[in-house]
Amino acid sequence: DVKVTQSSRYLVKRTGEKVFLECVQDMDHENMFWYRQDPGLGLRLIYFSYDVKMKEKGDIPEGYSVSREKKERFSLILESASTNQTSMYLCASSPIRQGRYEQYFGPGTRLTVT
Amino acid sequence: AQSVSQHNHHVILSEAASLELGCNYSYGGTVNLFWYVQYPGQHLQLLLKYFSGDPLVKGIKGFEAEFIKSKFSFNLRKPSVQWSDTAEYFCAVNLAGNTGKLIFGQGTTLQVKP
Repeated sequence: DVKVTQSSRYLVKRTGEKVFLECVQDMDHENMFWYRQDPGLGLRLIYFSYDVKMKEKGDIPEGYSVSREKKERFSLILESASTNQTSMYLCASSPIRQGRYEQYFGPGTRLTVT
Repeated sequence: AQSVSQHNHHVILSEAASLELGCNYSYGGTVNLFWYVQYPGQHLQLLLKYFSGDPLVKGIKGFEAEFIKSKFSFNLRKPSVQWSDTAEYFCAVNLAGNTGKLIFGQGTTLQVKP
């Protein structure tokens, strides 16, 4: 089974702190994604990466950056956390397989910024 | 911009009732279609998917969905729901050739009363 793990299930940070969210997948998938999930808004794509050191902005990249130094690991960075970044953050990965991009999700990190 | 719309935000049913959740997307080209489910406290998991072929697809736990290209729809159905189907359901669309990004609907919360 595909396994996507995220470093923390719950995280509480103060406004202005730098926050790192880590995601690791064990299936050698090319693509990795970071989403935030908010009630009534569904999942919104923050960033995705289609290869090591490659990244592309999603729909809501402002206030976030990412890093992918190894194929299995994709990090989301909040440079200076703000209260409006309180949310559930989901990581996902997918293979590139004949154009069929089924995504596999991690358990999520619920981040609270106070 | 392409979008995915789920018409029902909150659905309440009694056990054994039939379920249909609507999903429409706005894109005229080739698409891959997905329904994901998120049970309380669990991670997002794939319920079913459509890539090509028979427009009626069957997924796990007795769910099925029908792709109607002329209506840009991919509605989810189950003939008889159970209390354990209480969850949030997300429709997602991948635009063929679009590097694996998914566009998600806002989600539908299903509450099944025993």
